[in-house]
Amino acid sequence: GAVVSQHPSWVICKSGTSVKIECRSLDFQATTMFWYRQFPKQSLMLMATSNEGSKATYEQGVEKDKFLINHASLTLSTLTVTSAHPEDSSFYICSASAGGGPGTFGSGTRLTVV
Amino acid sequence: GQNIDQPTEMTATEGAIVQINCTYQTSGFNGLFWYQQHAGEAPTFLSYNVLDGLEEKGRFSSFLSRSKGYSYLLLKELQMKDSASYLCAVRDEGGATNKLIFGTGTLLAVQP
Repeated sequence: GAVVSQHPSWVICKSGTSVKIECRSLDFQATTMFWYRQFPKQSLMLMATSNEGSKATYEQGVEKDKFLINHASLTLSTLTVTSAHPEDSSFYICSASAGGGPGTFGSGTRLTVV
Repeated sequence: GQNIDQPTEMTATEGAIVQINCTYQTSGFNGLFWYQQHAGEAPTFLSYNVLDGLEEKGRFSSFLSRSKGYSYLLLKELQMKDSASYLCAVRDEGGATNKLIFGTGTLLAVQP
């Protein structure tokens, strides 16, 4: 079956620094990557959608200059949280899709900004 | 706007049956998904409905009525390990990419 690897699984960083999260599709080509954020006891909120080789489409209210998404290959997408602040602490999850489906989720990254 | 509602919490007894409801109002519709999510983990896929009716998969069944904007997830023979959050998600057909819009999630507690 489709396998998606997300790394790191958890990270603690200092306020003002940047953090990069990787999402890889291991056994299929992901034409589309979705990035979600989930705050405690809340549901998943879509942040952005990226297609390989194209600029990401961000949801309303998500700062594209703060959350940089790169989808340079069919098996790798990265989310960089720039100048992280404590309010960015959250659970970030990617989902990789091969052609129109809702995608397979990665294992998630717990980000804590101190 | 996009609106997907689920009960916030539910409690059920081991061995029993529980039904988790989901109502939605979205600009587009291209299928409804149910996911299970344990705390601190990513969601896992449970079921998918795109046509009206019941889809059965082992202990889990899901029902959809598009005219009513309504779905439910039915869990039978409940086990303690079924304690988790259950997320309803609608696939929006808008644009070139079919993205998922998630509901608020229902936290299910299974008691002995």
